[in-house]
Amino acid sequence: EPEVTQTPSHQVTQMGQEVILRCVPISNHLYFYWYRQILGQKVEFLVSFYNNEISEKSEIFDDQFSVERPDGSNFTLKIRSTKLEDSAMYFCASSGDRGHQETQYFGPGTRLLVL
Amino acid sequence: SQELEQSPQSLIVQEGKNLTINCTSSKTLYGLYWYKQKYGEGLIFLMMLQKGGEEKSHEKITAKLDEKKQQSSLHITASQPSHAGIYLCGAAPRGSTLGRLYFGRGTQLTVWP
Repeated sequence: EPEVTQTPSHQVTQMGQEVILRCVPISNHLYFYWYRQILGQKVEFLVSFYNNEISEKSEIFDDQFSVERPDGSNFTLKIRSTKLEDSAMYFCASSGDRGHQETQYFGPGTRLLVL
Repeated sequence: SQELEQSPQSLIVQEGKNLTINCTSSKTLYGLYWYKQKYGEGLIFLMMLQKGGEEKSHEKITAKLDEKKQQSSLHITASQPSHAGIYLCGAAPRGSTLGRLYFGRGTQLTVWP
C-alpha cells in the first residue's frame, strides 16, 4: 500500500542552524502539506502546496520557513535559523485532491530537537 | 479558526469493553476525519465523514456524524490492546477549498488485558 515517507526520523540541531526535512508523498498525489506537533499539544497546520506553489500557510509559517518540491518525488520543509520553540514532531501529508472528499495521508514524522 | 474539543481526554478500559470518544466542533463540520496515533508516531487514517447522519464502520470501530454536523463520535466495540493509542479528530473548515485540517487534542486510549 502506498505511503508517505519522511527522513530523517530524528534530527538534533543547534539553535540558529538550518534544517531541511524531507518527505516523499504518495506518488499520484497532487497536494502536499506540512503539520507540526509540539510535545503534548495539538497537531497544527503549517502550509499546503499545490502546483509548485503555496496554497495556504498558517501564522506559524513565517519567513524562517520555506517549502520546495525540488523534483518529481520529494517535498521539503526548510527552517532557515532554528529556534528552541521549533522543537516538535513535523508531519508531511499528501492528498489526491484539494477538496474535502479526499483524505490526507500522513507520514511517520520527523522529530526535531533544537538545542 | 475551527475549534475541536475531544472527550474524554483519556480513557482506560478493560479488554472486551465498549467505549465511545466524542468530538465537538465550534462550527459546522464540512468534513470530519478520525485518525489514530501511536505515541511519537504518525497519524493513521481511520475514517472520514461528510454528511449529517452518516455512519461508517471498519472492523470494530464505528464513527458517526450527527445530523446538525457539529459533533462526531467514535465507538469501539469489544476493545482489544491493539486499539490502544491516541485518537484524533480533524476537521476541514466549511467553505474552505484549501485542505487545511484543524485537530482536536486527542483522546488517549489504554486497553488493559
